Amino acid sequence: EAGVTQFPSHSVIEKGQTVTLRCDPISGHDNLYWYRRVMGKEIKFLLHFVKESKQDESGMPNNRFLAERTGGTYSTLKVQPAELEDSGVYFCASSQARQAYSGANVLTFGAGSRLTVL
Amino acid sequence: AQSVTQLDSQVPVFEEAPVELRCNYSSSVSVYLFWYVQYPNQGLQLLLKYLSGSTLVKGINGFEAEFNKSQTSFHLRKPSVHISDTAEYFCAILSGGYQKVTFGTGTKLQVIP
Repeated sequence: EAGVTQFPSHSVIEKGQTVTLRCDPISGHDNLYWYRRVMGKEIKFLLHFVKESKQDESGMPNNRFLAERTGGTYSTLKVQPAELEDSGVYFCASSQARQAYSGANVLTFGAGSRLTVL
Repeated sequence: AQSVTQLDSQVPVFEEAPVELRCNYSSSVSVYLFWYVQYPNQGLQLLLKYLSGSTLVKGINGFEAEFNKSQTSFHLRKPSVHISDTAEYFCAILSGGYQKVTFGTGTKLQVIP
């Protein structure tokens, strides 16, 4: 079974530019999450999709971030325009369980996309 | 609210020595607890989890953790570490009423030959 795949692994852009990160979850996983880790800090929740619907986007920092999940399959996270503080590692995770609140709902994470904004 | 505290940002330990990585949590309701590991250039991998039942949980690669409700802790231990255990370890919590996992700031374990 293929794992969670993220592209690109590393992106270096200048302040003001646009970047789009992509996540391909495990096939059949309805739940898809985006998390972000700013250097030295905790991994913070950004948002949660159930299929193509946004279940919870309370962690999105501001309106420069736009997440989509077309057809309930892969997801993209666009940052436009990027700022210096957006630098960090963006993790995607997916899980199968219908009930998000469940200890059995173990998240499978991708390797992350490292974003560097200069 | 739910939160996780990992007080040790870095833990150096000699090979074959025991190690304990500390994790304390805060939650007003029942919790599920997890430890994840991130090896260099890889994603987060589940090491072990506590859902219910026995407070001593065994995970992969010889790691174990003990849930202590009175001390609100979930410390990770290994009796003898290997070079290959060098990685960053994250404690995480999922508690009632929340639909998302909350992570600690991570502890870098450096195993010294």
